[in-house]
Amino acid sequence: DAGVIQSPRHEVTEMGQEVTLRCKPISGHDYLFWYRQTMMRGLELLIYFNNNVPIDDSGMPEDRFSAKMPNASFSTLKIQPSEPRDSAVYFCASTPTLTAFSYNEQFFGPGTRLTVL
Amino acid sequence: EDQVTQSPEALRLQEGESSSLNCSYTVSGLRGLFWYRQDPGKGPEFLFTLYSAGEEKEKERLKATLTKKESFLHITAPKPEDSATYLCAVQNTGRRALTFGSGTRLQVQP
Repeated sequence: DAGVIQSPRHEVTEMGQEVTLRCKPISGHDYLFWYRQTMMRGLELLIYFNNNVPIDDSGMPEDRFSAKMPNASFSTLKIQPSEPRDSAVYFCASTPTLTAFSYNEQFFGPGTRLTVL
Repeated sequence: EDQVTQSPEALRLQEGESSSLNCSYTVSGLRGLFWYRQDPGKGPEFLFTLYSAGEEKEKERLKATLTKKESFLHITAPKPEDSATYLCAVQNTGRRALTFGSGTRLQVQP
């Protein structure tokens, strides 16, 4: 398996523009997570889905952020309008439902480094 | 609210100099404690999961231990390739998401 796939790997945009980050989870994983990493706050959860349904979005900073999961193999995180304080690395992670043959760890993608000027 | 505190923030070792990284946590109900390794420009890579106090797990030069309040990541005779940021995270029984600490940046010099 190719692992969790994220695109783009780098994004530079200007304040006020719309940004869309994309994620393809590992096939068969029914949980998908979006995290954000900054020097000041470390790695923090934004939102997670189970079977394409948002379960916990308490970490989404404000209404400028939205996330969707239209099917089991694709999710997007959108920021509109973007602001300089949104500059960070955004990670997507996935994990399967815990079974006797799987474990609880989350598998992370390579991240998208977002810079908002 | 779940909290994870890691120490030290940064650690510089000579090759072969063993040491330990600390992860202190508070959580209402612990489902699991996780250790991840993160290299620059990459996503966190899973190392270990510990589920109950007294549990230990080993992988090459790394050994993770768990008590009711903290976890240690012991590094025995480290090599330069062990240089990375090591992240600790807890999972509450009430949710699937992880709460991460700020990490320990380890540098091993030859």
